[in-house]
Amino acid sequence: AQSVTQPDIHITVSEGASLELRCNYSYGATPYLFWYVQSPGQGLQLLLKYFSGDTLVQGIKGFEAEFKRSQSSFNLRKPSVHWSDAAEYFCAVISGGSYIPTFGRGTSLIVHP
Amino acid sequence: NAGVTQTPKFQVLKTGQSMTLQCAQDMNHNSMYWYRQDPGMGLRLIYYSASEGTTDKGEVPNGYNVSRLNKREFSLRLESAAPSQTSVYFCASSDRSGGPEKLFFGSGTQLSVL
Repeated sequence: AQSVTQPDIHITVSEGASLELRCNYSYGATPYLFWYVQSPGQGLQLLLKYFSGDTLVQGIKGFEAEFKRSQSSFNLRKPSVHWSDAAEYFCAVISGGSYIPTFGRGTSLIVHP
Repeated sequence: NAGVTQTPKFQVLKTGQSMTLQCAQDMNHNSMYWYRQDPGMGLRLIYYSASEGTTDKGEVPNGYNVSRLNKREFSLRLESAAPSQTSVYFCASSDRSGGPEKLFFGSGTQLSVL
């Protein structure tokens, strides 16, 4: 069965600093990978997705993520964090013949001024 | 653009009461989902519907029932609410006609069972 691990429950960064949120998945073949963001009191919104091709994908709001098959990882990055980026971030995977995503437990991003 | 609409936004129930959470999407999506979100647990799938007329259990279906009323609407029913069902519930939809695709989420229903 597919699974997703987000090892960091909380991440605290200063505004303007760089950010990397970790995501590891377990699945033999290449999965479909997603990052979603959830602002307080809101539903989830897609930041970016990886299906195939270039392993570095660009998303909305200046985010990017890199698929590394050798590490089974799909880490989310942003070079300079803004206070408005404070939110909950979820990594998700779809694998095999399924179309239903499995979500990680989420990482809460706190941004200090 | 409405997208995915959930009602109500907030609800307080007493143990043993029943209620139905409503969800409607206006994007002509085939697939619809119900998730619950609990602190530290991420999102867990309760039920899903691949297409109109079909429903299937997800990871945590016990205590819930669903109805795919038509292509637009997918409701979640709690027949006898329990405190363990206190959670935030999200409805989502997707168009998987071309393969796996992103989910569109509603803004959630915060449910408290006392």
